[in-house]
Amino acid sequence: SQTIHQWPATLVQPVGSPLSLECTVEGTSNPNLYWYRQAAGRGLQLLFYSVGIGQISSEVPQNLSASRPQDRQFILSSKKLLLSDSGFYLCAWSGPSLSSPLHFGNGTRLTVT
Amino acid sequence: GIQVEQSPPDLILQEGANSTLRCNFSDSVNNLQWFHQNPWGQLINLFYIPSGTKQNGRLSATTVATERYSLLYISSSQTTDSGVYFCAASRNNAGNMLTFGGGTRLMVKP
Repeated sequence: SQTIHQWPATLVQPVGSPLSLECTVEGTSNPNLYWYRQAAGRGLQLLFYSVGIGQISSEVPQNLSASRPQDRQFILSSKKLLLSDSGFYLCAWSGPSLSSPLHFGNGTRLTVT
Repeated sequence: GIQVEQSPPDLILQEGANSTLRCNFSDSVNNLQWFHQNPWGQLINLFYIPSGTKQNGRLSATTVATERYSLLYISSSQTTDSGVYFCAASRNNAGNMLTFGGGTRLMVKP
């Protein structure tokens, strides 16, 4: 069966420091990969998605970037964190079909101080 | 882009009660999913349901695409059903580039 791993679970970083969050998927090949953010409150916002190695699309201009160095690895990065980057970051995967359901990792709770 | 609205925003139930959560969307969709976020933040996919009706245990969902709404039914609620329920949708060939609703926060009391 397919599993998705995301780490770390929690992170406290000072303003101006770099960020690297990693996500890996097991048990499937050619997945579509996604980074979502959930700010305080409820709504989830799509940040990045990828349909293949090296293919990244950004939905929202921001201080963050994403990379996909391997088929089942997705990385969210920042060179210099802002206070507004605090939030709950969720990696997700789906099959390559447009009708595949979306499955989330357990998330990383990021606090920028 | 598409707008997704959920109601009610908050719901308190006594254990054993039934409930209906509603999701309205502003345009035709070909991808509609329901998720449950537990109190620890974990998001679980409940249904992929762009149209029709599906059931999984005490949960069922119906999407009427022509009228732009979806309903999630919870029967015989349990305390473990507590959390936030999200509806998310996309249109055309957007796949899982989903727009999420604001969620319904459910608390089931013993």
